[in-house]
Amino acid sequence: DAMVIQNPRYQVTQFGKPVTLSCSQTLNHNVMYWYQQKSSQAPKLLFHYYDKDFNNEADTPDNFQSRRPNTSFCFLDIRSPGLGDTAMYLCATSNEPGGNQPQHFGDGTRLSIL
Amino acid sequence: GQQVMQIPQYQHVQEGEDFTTYCNSSTTLSNIQWYKQRPGGHPVFLIQLVKSGEVKKQKRLTFQFGEAKKNSSLHITATQTTDVGTYFCAGRNRGATNKLIFGTGTLLAVQP
Repeated sequence: DAMVIQNPRYQVTQFGKPVTLSCSQTLNHNVMYWYQQKSSQAPKLLFHYYDKDFNNEADTPDNFQSRRPNTSFCFLDIRSPGLGDTAMYLCATSNEPGGNQPQHFGDGTRLSIL
Repeated sequence: GQQVMQIPQYQHVQEGEDFTTYCNSSTTLSNIQWYKQRPGGHPVFLIQLVKSGEVKKQKRLTFQFGEAKKNSSLHITATQTTDVGTYFCAGRNRGATNKLIFGTGTLLAVQP
């Protein structure tokens, strides 16, 4: 089945230690999104790629970076995680940008900063 | 900026009772999507509404888009324990840049 796969499912890291989360998709979608979701809150968009074009949200901290080396893979890099970055990180894809296509989410990576 | 609020935040029902969550946007939307997120899971797309006043049904779920395209609702008839989860609406601003704004969500608990 075509799907969005995130690795790892759970990640524990130390305060200030860089961490990378990965996402791959077999849907061949043009757009890949990264969301941060804290407990009992809605997903918050960090940034997205439309093909190779990177689109950062204005309020995304500089600490958060992303790479999309090819259509199938996208990475979220957190350079110096703080305690406030503990959250679920969700990757999603859609065929087109613009919010008029369904988004397909991965299972997420639950990140804990100690 | 654009805000999308949902009420209630939390609803606890007995199995078999009906449930409704309401979604209100501060701006006019071009479309609205609904997602369900089971506890510990990820959001799953349910449906999209585009036209003013549109009503769509999926089995026991009825979705409605307001005439002014600033609000939407999801109604579940005769809830079941499998309906447990958080229901999010997500809307796109008319003429805005390319993103959905997720609503605050409604957590539904169903007691058997």
